[in-house]
Amino acid sequence: GAGVSQSPSNKVTEKGKDVELRCDPISGHTALYWYRQSLGQGLEFLIYFQGNSAPDKSGLPSDRFSAERTGGSVSTLTIQRTQQEDSAVYLCASRNSGSYEQFFGPGTRLTVL
Amino acid sequence: RKEVEQDPGPFNVPEGATVAFNCTYSNSASQSFFWYRQDCRKEPKLLMSVYSSGNEDGRFTAQLNRASQYISLLIRDSKLSDSATYLCVVRATSGTYKYIFGTGTRLKVLA
Repeated sequence: GAGVSQSPSNKVTEKGKDVELRCDPISGHTALYWYRQSLGQGLEFLIYFQGNSAPDKSGLPSDRFSAERTGGSVSTLTIQRTQQEDSAVYLCASRNSGSYEQFFGPGTRLTVL
Repeated sequence: RKEVEQDPGPFNVPEGATVAFNCTYSNSASQSFFWYRQDCRKEPKLLMSVYSSGNEDGRFTAQLNRASQYISLLIRDSKLSDSATYLCVVRATSGTYKYIFGTGTRLKVLA
């Protein structure tokens, strides 16, 4: 079956521009996560959606970052006024209710010039 | 102190060797523990969960030591294909499915 998909796979933008990253989770998975991974670093938690509950936004690094999940499925991570330190791979993962396993998408590699 | 800490390595071992990684966590209320594997420029994938009594999956053995707040991963008879980064993952506390990832331990198995 289809796994988690993310788009675009690569995004190059100029400092100060806004970007939107998209995640399509596995169908039926109720939980969705966003992480970012900088070169040689581990995964940094950003935000977590679980069903209709309020998202856990505790990992968002600044108010330039926001995310939404429409209809309990597709999610969009928006970064406003991008900075060079935002350059990283942004990974999305989904998880089925009652399971602990997260399934990751291939990531979006963001480069801010 | 980071919530989850790992030795970044790299661990360079010959084929057939046994290698072990440790991971320490700071929150004593942490509930669940996992090892994920991440190949270069790929997404992480679940390798195994870590149970209190320890568990084994083929050549891989995971252990949990709650008293000392660490988990370990032992790989026996290393294969070239085991070369990857191994990420320690901790579920923060009960009532949440927020997961904290370590920075990973890089393993290189040499021919």
